[in-house]
Amino acid sequence: DTEVTQTPKHLVMGMTNKKSLKCEQHMGHRAMYWYKQKAKKPPELMFVYSYEKLSINESVPSRFSPECPNSSLLNLHLHALQPEDSALYLCASSQGQSSGRVPDTQYFGPGTRLTVL
Amino acid sequence: AQTVTQSQPEMSVQEAETVTLSCTYDTSENNYYLFWYKQPPSRQMILVIRQEAYKQQNATENRFSVNFQKAAKSFSLKISDSQLGDTAMYFCAFMRGGADGLTFGKGTHLIIQP
Repeated sequence: DTEVTQTPKHLVMGMTNKKSLKCEQHMGHRAMYWYKQKAKKPPELMFVYSYEKLSINESVPSRFSPECPNSSLLNLHLHALQPEDSALYLCASSQGQSSGRVPDTQYFGPGTRLTVL
Repeated sequence: AQTVTQSQPEMSVQEAETVTLSCTYDTSENNYYLFWYKQPPSRQMILVIRQEAYKQQNATENRFSVNFQKAAKSFSLKISDSQLGDTAMYFCAFMRGGADGLTFGKGTHLIIQP
């Protein structure tokens, strides 16, 4: 089973709202990722959690706040977003191997389509 | 920093034909991994095939195969006997290893015509 689930599927929010995106996996993976994908563009990495610790933050504005409560869950808290933050937000997970010759393949969820008004 | 280049924004072929999507990359790393992901209109990102840089043998997965040329930093995807369900955006991606992010190319929109 290589399923990563994301909720909600769609989200519309105003610039003053606070909302959260949720991602869940039950594959025993220890690394989880957030990507942002604008229309007709490739995904861009935002954050990486490895063994529940934030390991990579790609200079993302503080209005995006990630959280990893446990190894199966990843949240992205949103506050005071701008219309240009409207995008598809993709979550992915992988085994999280730190070395070795087996590729640490990332499996993606279906995404949350976010619209900021 | 790594870069991934896909020079074909869009390709269109007839069903059952063979099509090759090109990808080149630039890196100073010696150990890394390369992937092709498919993103159909549903927007779900699906792994197609992966290649370890240390392996000289090209990866194959059913109708999908790659031509990996490490010295040339080239990683093309060949789809044989193309099917209507292969219509999608195809992204080439690079990863250094471990829990590291993927660097994607801009993508190639592949259209399979009936």
